Amino acid sequence: KNEVEQSPQNLTAQEGEFITINCSYSVGISALHWLQQHPGGGIVSLFMLSSGKKKHGRLIATINIQEKHSSLHITASHPRDSAVYICAVPSGGGADGLTFGKGTHLIIQP
Amino acid sequence: NAGVTQTPKFRILKIGQSMTLQCTQDMNHNYMYWYRQDPGMGLKLIYYSVGAGITDKGEVPNGYNVSRSTTEDFPLRLELAAPSQTSVYFCASSYSTARAATNEKLFFGSGTQLSVL
Repeated sequence: KNEVEQSPQNLTAQEGEFITINCSYSVGISALHWLQQHPGGGIVSLFMLSSGKKKHGRLIATINIQEKHSSLHITASHPRDSAVYICAVPSGGGADGLTFGKGTHLIIQP
Repeated sequence: NAGVTQTPKFRILKIGQSMTLQCTQDMNHNYMYWYRQDPGMGLKLIYYSVGAGITDKGEVPNGYNVSRSTTEDFPLRLELAAPSQTSVYFCASSYSTARAATNEKLFFGSGTQLSVL
């Protein structure tokens, strides 16, 4: 079964700062997901990536398959980016579905 | 386009009661999942389905049952509710398997906050 570790658990930053959230996993994968959970509880898929880098607006996700590590970056952070960011990888062990990290709680202060 | 619709949003049950959490999607997705989210923990897979008529257990299936009679619907049944089932439940769907590099996105319902007292 894949294990997922995210860091940091909590992050408070000032508006405009460059944000990095890290995700490490234990078993080789073919796909990694980054998700955003809004303060109201809803979950939105941000990225799925299997190699290299993806960019969407101010969000950039990178993955290093060899090191079993992914990062999510937010450039020019804004208070509306405040949310929980969750990394997820295939569970393995024959089950479909994902193993989720505990999330990084991000607060961007004006 | 409604996406994934989950009902109810909130529910309080007494110990021993039963209930069904409804989940429906209008994207013609084959893959559907039920997760639970406990405070400070990552989401955990309860059950999943890879198509109509096919279901399988996830990581934490005890105390739950599912069915998948149609592509659109994937209800989760709680029999004999226990306090340990107090949690937030999320239904999700995707076009292909979550393990595949071809799967671009997961779609989540808005969640059901369940308390068992």
